[in-house]
Amino acid sequence: RKEVEQDPGPFNVPEGATVAFNCTYSNSASQSFFWYRQDCRKEPKLLMSVYSSGNEDGRFTAQLNRASQYISLLIRDSKLSDSATYLCVVNENYGQNFVFGPGTRLSVLP
Amino acid sequence: EAGVAQSPRYKIIEKRQSVAFWCNPISGHATLYWYQQILGQGPKLLIQFQNNGVVDDSQLPKDRFSAERLKGVDSTLKIQPAKLEDSAVYLCASRAINNYGYTFGSGTRLTVV
Repeated sequence: RKEVEQDPGPFNVPEGATVAFNCTYSNSASQSFFWYRQDCRKEPKLLMSVYSSGNEDGRFTAQLNRASQYISLLIRDSKLSDSATYLCVVNENYGQNFVFGPGTRLSVLP
Repeated sequence: EAGVAQSPRYKIIEKRQSVAFWCNPISGHATLYWYQQILGQGPKLLIQFQNNGVVDDSQLPKDRFSAERLKGVDSTLKIQPAKLEDSAVYLCASRAINNYGYTFGSGTRLTVV
């Protein structure tokens, strides 16, 4: 079993749609969690951290379920500019080891 | 704040040749990472430095890959000899101590033919 798994995608959605991505991790000792965004031929950039209580940043909501070892990212009112690959990242040892998932590609269509 | 600098931006080499990549992290960032990202996959950690010491190189193919960070600042990653399957983007990232956020460089896209 891979350490971090994500929905295989791609997700093709119309503008204005709500889309959710799922991520599971295998190491129950994982400490912190993140979503990164990677545009085509660009480097990954931090989108948001994921907290146990869940957190929201504008149209983006991240949720963590430690018992199920599951993380989600919800994007509401999708924009064309949201088209990118979304990478789930799990930190296994307080910053010493960040493990990236394979990514889920999103295309928002006009 | 200046970002993570990497060079070259692109490199095309023949198999069995050697290649080196350079990374200059954000000033003051003690932790530096090299990642390999094959097309369609997430980044895979190759090596992690804390200052000039290696923290994790368990996934570095040491028969052909080497990396150093001699003065705890710049780092170089070398592949010798290259194989076709080494074609990938090589990303450098740095992080300050007690800061969870990574900052990535723009990467070096390597094509081995």
